[in-house]
Amino acid sequence: KAGVTQTPRYLIKTRGQQVTLSCSPISGHRSVSWYQQTPGQGLQFLFEYFSETQRNKGNFPGRFSGRQFSNSRSEMNVSTLELGDSALYLCASSLVPGVEPHFGPGTRLLVL
Amino acid sequence: ELKVEQNPLFLSMQEGKNYTIYCNYSTTSDRLYWYRQDPGKSLESLFVLLSNGAVKQEGRLMASLDTKARLSTLHITAAVHDLSATYFCAVDPGGADGLTFGKGTHLIIQP
Repeated sequence: KAGVTQTPRYLIKTRGQQVTLSCSPISGHRSVSWYQQTPGQGLQFLFEYFSETQRNKGNFPGRFSGRQFSNSRSEMNVSTLELGDSALYLCASSLVPGVEPHFGPGTRLLVL
Repeated sequence: ELKVEQNPLFLSMQEGKNYTIYCNYSTTSDRLYWYRQDPGKSLESLFVLLSNGAVKQEGRLMASLDTKARLSTLHITAAVHDLSATYFCAVDPGGADGLTFGKGTHLIIQP
């Protein structure tokens, strides 16, 4: 069974640009959540989607947004990038929200 | 606000020794997870603990949960170098707030 896949794996952007990250969950999983990992703040919850609906959002500015498609694939978007957005962005999928999330390999974003 | 505290945050130990990582959390929780992360890699699921008194073991790692004390432990028995990694505990408080992670324990096991 294929695991969670994330694309791209690495990304370099400049301040002010926007970026879209993609996550394909494990087959049959309908819930997708996103986390940001930085050396300073650690792992922080961004948002969670289930059945194309955002269930909740962590303490992040409106520049961070996301969506989920009918096939459960999810994208997150960060607009007007700042240097502090440099991080590893992890996507996790689960059958239903909160039940044994499985993490993808992550997308490492560097903002210059 | 749910807080999750791990200690120690850094641990250097010799092969063959035993040690325990502690994870305290501040509110009641539905589930507690332990993950392993190797440098530059994603999170690998180790254990999920669902109820008070739950104990799970996989190889040299054993995790336990005391919901009354709001404490989970990850015990390493006869450590080997391959267990060197960063270990995270994460708490799911229920609802839709995602997981709250501890800061991680950076474990180095020296031959």
